[in-house]
Amino acid sequence: GDSVTQMEGPVTLSEEAFLTINCTYTATGYPSLFWYVQYPGEGLQLLLKATKADDKGSNKGFEATYRKETTSFHLEKGSVQVSDSAVYFCALLYTGGGNKLTFGTGTQLKVEL
Amino acid sequence: EAQVTQNPRYLITVTGKKLTVTCSQNMNHEYMSWYRQDPGLGLRQIYYSMNVEVTDKGDVPEGYKVSRKEKRNFPLILESPSPNQTSLYFCASSLRSRQGRTDTQYFGPGTRLTVL
Repeated sequence: GDSVTQMEGPVTLSEEAFLTINCTYTATGYPSLFWYVQYPGEGLQLLLKATKADDKGSNKGFEATYRKETTSFHLEKGSVQVSDSAVYFCALLYTGGGNKLTFGTGTQLKVEL
Repeated sequence: EAQVTQNPRYLITVTGKKLTVTCSQNMNHEYMSWYRQDPGLGLRQIYYSMNVEVTDKGDVPEGYKVSRKEKRNFPLILESPSPNQTSLYFCASSLRSRQGRTDTQYFGPGTRLTVL
């Protein structure tokens, strides 16, 4: 079945450091890929998405590129801020007509001054 | 404002005492779903509904019930809660996906349930 693998956390960075959170997937067909963010005490918010190979999703300085050849969707940001501290979830959606999201286990990011 | 609401946000209960967590959305979405979030496991789908009166099991449905009598509401029912159902629960909704179209799922703020 479909699955998503994320790097384990927590990831601790200093402010203005470069961020990469790795995400790889296994899926039949051609899924859409997402990054969701969960700030402390809140629900999940969509951060960015990509619906086909080579698409780049971007939002709030975060980027991720849908790489079909490596089945990856790594999240990157050039300069993190303390306010980026949150849990980040990679997820896939099979586009064959269903709505089920398959999530990774989440990666906690802590950004320190 | 487009949103998914859940109630209660926090609940502490005892084993065997029936409870209901409500979920409501104001976006006229066909699809609604319940997930539970546990450390190291991410989010796992409990039940989902593709439209009114249409519900189906997700990956971890044991011990849960749902109903979809109205389009906007999708309550989660625990008939006889047990400690292993202590978790953080999220409701989500979206338009029903069509072949080749991807619609964003919107999540509620979560309900933290503790079963003693």
